[in-house]
Amino acid sequence: KNEVEQSPQNLTAQEGEFITINCSYSVGISALHWLQQHPGGGIVSLFMLSSGKKKHGRLIATINIQEKHSSLHITASHPRDSAVYICAAQNSGGGADGLTFGKGTHLIIQP
Amino acid sequence: DARVTQTPRHKVTEMGQEVTMRCQPILGHNTVFWYRQTMMQGLELLAYFRNRAPLDDSGMPKDRFSAEMPDATLATLKIQPSEPRDSAVYFCASGLVPDGRAGANVLTFGAGSRLTVL
Repeated sequence: KNEVEQSPQNLTAQEGEFITINCSYSVGISALHWLQQHPGGGIVSLFMLSSGKKKHGRLIATINIQEKHSSLHITASHPRDSAVYICAAQNSGGGADGLTFGKGTHLIIQP
Repeated sequence: DARVTQTPRHKVTEMGQEVTMRCQPILGHNTVFWYRQTMMQGLELLAYFRNRAPLDDSGMPKDRFSAEMPDATLATLKIQPSEPRDSAVYFCASGLVPDGRAGANVLTFGAGSRLTVL
Protein backbone atom coordinates (compact mmCIF):
# COMPACT_ATOMS: atom_id res chain seq x y z
CA LYS A 1 0.00 0.00 0.00
CA ASN A 2 1.25 3.44 -0.92
CA GLU A 3 2.14 5.75 1.94
CA VAL A 4 1.55 9.40 1.11
CA GLU A 5 3.11 12.03 3.36
CA GLN A 6 2.49 15.75 3.15
CA SER A 7 4.33 18.61 4.76
CA PRO A 8 3.76 20.91 6.41
CA GLN A 9 0.50 19.89 8.12
CA ASN A 10 -0.33 23.51 8.88
CA LEU A 11 0.98 26.66 7.28
CA THR A 12 0.15 30.29 8.04
CA ALA A 13 1.62 32.96 5.80
CA GLN A 14 1.14 36.59 4.89
CA GLU A 15 -0.56 37.72 1.72
CA GLY A 16 1.89 37.85 -1.15
CA GLU A 17 4.23 35.16 0.11
CA PHE A 18 5.41 32.29 -2.06
CA ILE A 19 3.95 29.03 -0.72
CA THR A 20 5.33 25.51 -1.12
CA ILE A 21 3.56 22.33 -0.05
CA ASN A 22 5.38 19.02 -0.33
CA CYS A 23 4.16 15.50 -0.97
CA SER A 24 6.12 12.26 -0.98
CA TYR A 25 4.95 8.75 -1.68
CA SER A 26 6.47 5.33 -1.14
CA VAL A 27 5.47 3.27 -4.18
CA GLY A 28 5.57 3.99 -7.90
CA ILE A 29 2.45 5.64 -9.22
CA SER A 30 0.74 6.37 -12.52
CA ALA A 31 -0.16 9.93 -11.57
CA LEU A 32 -0.27 12.39 -8.69
CA HIS A 33 -3.29 14.55 -7.97
CA TRP A 34 -3.47 17.83 -6.10
CA LEU A 35 -6.86 18.69 -4.62
CA GLN A 36 -8.16 21.78 -2.87
CA GLN A 37 -10.80 21.63 -0.17
CA HIS A 38 -12.38 24.90 0.93
CA PRO A 39 -13.83 25.56 4.39
CA GLY A 40 -17.28 24.76 3.01
CA GLY A 41 -16.05 21.23 2.34
CA GLY A 42 -16.18 21.05 -1.44
CA ILE A 43 -13.25 19.36 -3.16
CA VAL A 44 -11.81 20.68 -6.39
CA SER A 45 -9.25 18.88 -8.48
CA LEU A 46 -6.35 21.26 -9.21
CA PHE A 47 -3.84 19.14 -11.08
CA MET A 48 -3.16 15.64 -12.25
CA LEU A 49 0.43 15.07 -13.33
CA SER A 50 2.67 12.15 -14.11
CA SER A 51 5.86 14.02 -15.02
CA GLY A 52 7.42 17.47 -15.13
CA LYS A 53 5.46 20.55 -14.26
CA LYS A 54 2.01 22.04 -14.75
CA LYS A 55 0.90 25.62 -14.24
CA HIS A 56 -2.53 27.15 -13.84
CA GLY A 57 -2.70 30.80 -12.93
CA ARG A 58 -0.74 31.29 -9.71
CA LEU A 59 -0.55 27.58 -9.02
CA ILE A 60 2.36 25.40 -10.10
CA ALA A 61 2.71 21.66 -9.52
CA THR A 62 5.89 19.70 -10.07
CA ILE A 63 6.73 16.03 -9.77
CA ASN A 64 9.99 14.09 -9.60
CA ILE A 65 9.21 10.47 -10.37
CA GLN A 66 12.68 9.20 -9.43
CA GLU A 67 12.53 10.84 -6.01
CA LYS A 68 8.82 10.04 -5.52
CA HIS A 69 8.13 13.63 -4.63
CA SER A 70 5.77 16.38 -5.74
CA SER A 71 5.38 20.01 -4.77
CA LEU A 72 2.56 22.50 -5.07
CA HIS A 73 3.55 26.15 -5.25
CA ILE A 74 1.38 29.23 -4.92
CA THR A 75 2.83 32.51 -6.11
CA ALA A 76 1.60 35.88 -4.78
CA SER A 77 -0.62 34.13 -2.24
CA HIS A 78 -3.99 35.65 -1.38
CA PRO A 79 -6.42 35.10 1.51
CA ARG A 80 -8.79 33.33 -0.87
CA ASP A 81 -6.11 30.63 -1.28
CA SER A 82 -6.81 29.60 2.33
CA ALA A 83 -7.91 25.99 2.14
CA VAL A 84 -6.77 22.44 2.77
CA TYR A 85 -4.53 21.11 -0.01
CA ILE A 86 -4.46 17.37 -0.44
CA CYS A 87 -2.16 15.30 -2.57
CA ALA A 88 -3.27 11.89 -3.74
CA ALA A 89 -1.26 9.12 -5.36
CA GLN A 90 -2.92 7.22 -8.18
CA ASN A 91 -1.68 3.67 -7.85
CA SER A 92 -0.10 1.94 -10.81
CA GLY A 93 -0.21 -1.70 -11.84
CA GLY A 94 -2.29 -4.64 -10.71
CA GLY A 95 -5.66 -3.89 -9.34
CA ALA A 96 -6.98 -0.74 -7.83
CA ASP A 97 -6.37 2.52 -9.58
CA GLY A 98 -8.09 4.46 -6.87
CA LEU A 99 -6.34 7.19 -4.96
CA THR A 100 -4.33 7.10 -1.73
CA PHE A 101 -4.57 10.45 0.01
CA GLY A 102 -2.21 12.46 2.14
CA LYS A 103 -3.58 13.96 5.36
CA GLY A 104 -3.70 17.43 3.82
CA THR A 105 -1.99 20.76 4.45
CA HIS A 106 -4.11 23.40 6.14
CA LEU A 107 -3.09 26.73 4.60
CA ILE A 108 -4.10 30.11 6.03
CA ILE A 109 -3.13 33.29 4.20
CA GLN A 110 -3.48 36.37 6.35
CA PRO A 111 -4.14 39.79 4.81
CA ASP B 1 -21.24 23.35 -16.16
CA ALA B 2 -21.22 19.58 -15.59
CA ARG B 3 -21.21 18.47 -11.98
CA VAL B 4 -21.50 15.41 -9.79
CA THR B 5 -24.69 15.53 -7.75
CA GLN B 6 -24.92 13.89 -4.35
CA THR B 7 -27.96 13.46 -2.13
CA PRO B 8 -28.67 13.98 0.65
CA ARG B 9 -26.30 16.80 1.57
CA HIS B 10 -26.91 16.20 5.25
CA LYS B 11 -28.32 13.22 7.10
CA VAL B 12 -28.80 12.70 10.82
CA THR B 13 -29.99 9.29 11.88
CA GLU B 14 -30.04 6.97 14.83
CA MET B 15 -27.77 4.01 15.29
CA GLY B 16 -29.16 0.91 13.63
CA GLN B 17 -31.02 2.73 10.89
CA GLU B 18 -30.38 2.16 7.18
CA VAL B 19 -28.73 5.01 5.30
CA THR B 20 -28.63 5.33 1.52
CA MET B 21 -26.54 7.95 -0.24
CA ARG B 22 -26.92 8.62 -3.94
CA CYS B 23 -24.64 10.02 -6.58
CA GLN B 24 -25.31 11.13 -10.13
CA PRO B 25 -21.99 11.13 -12.01
CA ILE B 26 -21.21 13.41 -14.91
CA LEU B 27 -22.83 12.14 -18.09
CA GLY B 28 -20.28 10.22 -20.14
CA HIS B 29 -17.92 9.50 -17.25
CA ASN B 30 -17.21 5.79 -16.93
CA THR B 31 -15.53 5.67 -13.52
CA VAL B 32 -17.20 6.42 -10.19
CA PHE B 33 -15.52 6.51 -6.80
CA TRP B 34 -16.90 6.61 -3.25
CA TYR B 35 -14.68 8.22 -0.60
CA ARG B 36 -15.15 8.84 3.10
CA GLN B 37 -13.57 11.72 4.99
CA THR B 38 -13.15 11.89 8.76
CA MET B 39 -11.05 14.12 10.95
CA MET B 40 -8.98 11.18 12.15
CA GLN B 41 -8.40 9.29 8.89
CA GLY B 42 -8.71 11.98 6.26
CA LEU B 43 -9.94 10.81 2.86
CA GLU B 44 -10.25 7.07 2.28
CA LEU B 45 -11.33 5.14 -0.80
CA LEU B 46 -14.35 2.94 -0.11
CA ALA B 47 -15.22 1.56 -3.54
CA TYR B 48 -15.07 2.33 -7.22
CA PHE B 49 -16.74 1.28 -10.43
CA ARG B 50 -15.63 1.20 -14.05
CA ASN B 51 -18.41 1.00 -16.65
CA ARG B 52 -20.77 0.17 -13.77
CA ALA B 53 -18.77 -2.89 -12.71
CA PRO B 54 -17.31 -2.85 -9.20
CA LEU B 55 -13.50 -2.95 -9.44
CA ASP B 56 -12.39 -2.46 -5.87
CA ASP B 57 -14.34 -2.30 -2.64
CA SER B 58 -11.57 -3.45 -0.33
CA GLY B 59 -11.78 -0.23 1.65
CA MET B 60 -15.38 -0.85 2.60
CA PRO B 61 -16.61 -2.76 5.68
CA LYS B 62 -18.50 -5.51 3.86
CA ASP B 63 -20.72 -6.52 6.72
CA ARG B 64 -22.63 -3.25 6.72
CA PHE B 65 -21.70 -1.30 3.60
CA SER B 66 -22.76 -1.98 0.04
CA ALA B 67 -22.19 0.00 -3.15
CA GLU B 68 -24.02 -0.43 -6.43
CA MET B 69 -24.53 1.21 -9.80
CA PRO B 70 -28.01 0.22 -10.97
CA ASP B 71 -27.51 2.29 -14.10
CA ALA B 72 -24.97 4.68 -15.60
CA THR B 73 -26.64 7.73 -14.05
CA LEU B 74 -26.85 6.51 -10.48
CA ALA B 75 -24.42 5.15 -7.88
CA THR B 76 -25.58 4.25 -4.39
CA LEU B 77 -23.81 3.66 -1.10
CA LYS B 78 -25.83 1.94 1.58
CA ILE B 79 -25.06 1.41 5.25
CA GLN B 80 -27.17 -1.09 7.16
CA PRO B 81 -27.16 -0.97 10.12
CA SER B 82 -25.47 2.37 10.69
CA GLU B 83 -23.17 2.99 13.66
CA PRO B 84 -21.85 6.20 15.26
CA ARG B 85 -18.36 5.48 13.86
CA ASP B 86 -19.83 5.80 10.36
CA SER B 87 -20.29 9.53 10.96
CA ALA B 88 -18.28 11.23 8.23
CA VAL B 89 -18.56 13.11 4.97
CA TYR B 90 -19.04 10.77 2.03
CA PHE B 91 -17.82 12.00 -1.34
CA CYS B 92 -18.61 10.66 -4.76
CA ALA B 93 -16.32 11.47 -7.67
CA SER B 94 -16.48 10.59 -11.34
CA GLY B 95 -13.94 10.56 -14.14
CA LEU B 96 -13.37 9.32 -17.66
CA VAL B 97 -10.83 6.63 -18.46
CA PRO B 98 -10.42 5.79 -22.14
CA ASP B 99 -10.79 2.08 -22.91
CA GLY B 100 -7.58 0.11 -22.55
CA ARG B 101 -5.94 2.57 -20.20
CA ALA B 102 -5.43 2.26 -16.49
CA GLY B 103 -6.01 5.08 -14.09
CA ALA B 104 -8.59 7.80 -13.83
CA ASN B 105 -8.28 11.16 -15.46
CA VAL B 106 -8.89 14.32 -13.50
CA LEU B 107 -11.78 13.64 -11.18
CA THR B 108 -14.81 15.75 -10.46
CA PHE B 109 -16.04 15.54 -6.90
CA GLY B 110 -19.55 15.93 -5.62
CA ALA B 111 -20.27 18.29 -2.73
CA GLY B 112 -20.42 15.41 -0.27
CA SER B 113 -23.03 13.91 2.04
CA ARG B 114 -22.46 14.69 5.71
CA LEU B 115 -23.69 11.77 7.80
CA THR B 116 -24.19 11.91 11.54
CA VAL B 117 -25.18 8.72 13.32
CA LEU B 118 -26.36 9.29 16.88
